[in-house]
Amino acid sequence: GAVVSQHPSWVICKSGTSVKIECRSLDFQATTMFWYRQFPKQSLMLMATSNEGSKATYEQGVEKDKFLINHASLTLSTLTVTSAHPEDSSFYICSARSGREGSSWKGFGAGTRLSVL
Amino acid sequence: AQSVTQPDIHITVSEGASLELRCNYSYGATPYLFWYVQSPGQGLQLLLKYFSGDTLVQGIKGFEAEFKRSQSSFNLRKPSVHWSDAAEYFCAVGGFGNEKLTFGTGTRLTIIP
Repeated sequence: GAVVSQHPSWVICKSGTSVKIECRSLDFQATTMFWYRQFPKQSLMLMATSNEGSKATYEQGVEKDKFLINHASLTLSTLTVTSAHPEDSSFYICSARSGREGSSWKGFGAGTRLSVL
Repeated sequence: AQSVTQPDIHITVSEGASLELRCNYSYGATPYLFWYVQSPGQGLQLLLKYFSGDTLVQGIKGFEAEFKRSQSSFNLRKPSVHWSDAAEYFCAVGGFGNEKLTFGTGTRLTIIP
């Protein structure tokens, strides 16, 4: 079945550094990828939607200069948290679609836990 | 705008008892509906999904859900819960196209012996 791979699963970084999270579709072409953020004991909040080859669409309140999203190929999207601060510590999850119909939903990555010291 | 309401923040049931988790959605067209389960510190696992057709959907781990358009609901059920079912459950709605999935706030399920 379709697999969405996310890496790394856990990252610790110092405040002020940048962190890159990768989301890959292993056996399908991901025309659209979504990046979510989840705070402890809360639901998933969509950060941005990225379509291959075009700029990401950010949800209201999400700083596009802080959370850089690149979707340069049909199998890879990256989220870079720039100049990370402790308040950016969270669980980040990606998901992917291969098309427009219902069956195009291909699931979620396992998530990345970011801890900023 | 699409939205999902999970009215129960926390539910406790005894092992072996039946379970129903409620989900109500708001969506302007035919919805795609999903139930996911998340264990602590883990990612999301798809339990089941509804796109069209039979309104009673069977999923993994013995779960099922019924789509009721008139009530805008997609409640999750299991006839007999196991201790391993303790987790957070999320209902989500999406649609045709490249639209996002919108999640409910989740229901935490606790199982007691």
